[in-house]
Amino acid sequence: DQQVKQNSPSLSVQEGRISILNCDYTNSMFDYFLWYKKYPAEGPTFLISISSIKDKNEDGRFTVFLNKSAKHLSLHIVPSQPGDSAVYFCAASAAYSGGGADGLTFGKGTHLIIQP
Amino acid sequence: EAQVTQNPRYLITVTGKKLTVTCSQNMNHEYMSWYRQDPGLGLRQIYYSMNVEVTDKGDVPEGYKVSRKEKRNFPLILESPSPNQTSLYFCASRNSPGALIETQYFGPGTRLLVL
Repeated sequence: DQQVKQNSPSLSVQEGRISILNCDYTNSMFDYFLWYKKYPAEGPTFLISISSIKDKNEDGRFTVFLNKSAKHLSLHIVPSQPGDSAVYFCAASAAYSGGGADGLTFGKGTHLIIQP
Repeated sequence: EAQVTQNPRYLITVTGKKLTVTCSQNMNHEYMSWYRQDPGLGLRQIYYSMNVEVTDKGDVPEGYKVSRKEKRNFPLILESPSPNQTSLYFCASRNSPGALIETQYFGPGTRLLVL
């Protein structure tokens, strides 16, 4: 049973437009959410996070929105650039403490393709 | 340059032939861990280590062993690999168990095929 779902395996967006990547979760105990970006032949790199006490977090071109009632979060990239083409993973954590087992549950990823 | 390195990057082996995937970090991090990534399943944690000689199971430890004899190295050992261990493996490290998980560095990955 997938607790973190990224239902779009891939997404194609034109350069300069907004990219919106979606993530749904089923475990109401999740209270911390992260997005990772992964290029081919590289490991994932942290992009942005949000705690359940917030509904929005912004970092430059990247904004994450959290809708707790819908158990849904989304990553917005504005404007999209060619270097944003990558696989994006959504991850969620319950009772985030930063110690021991990571307790992270990852989605299966969305491949974002930015078209020139 | 701060980095996590893994070797080999690609490996094809046969069922039952013991193998080791090495992981090394140059940041003096206390905390290291291993993940596997499978299609349709995202990343799952295999084992982690909070410091030298301190290791513990993650979510999917079956069929794997680890050791942490030195701070910089955290090898992943498959004593008797099976085809269901065909996967993409990532090593990761961060400063301490209590460090923000956002500060975690991932290695470039090792793609393993077990025939």
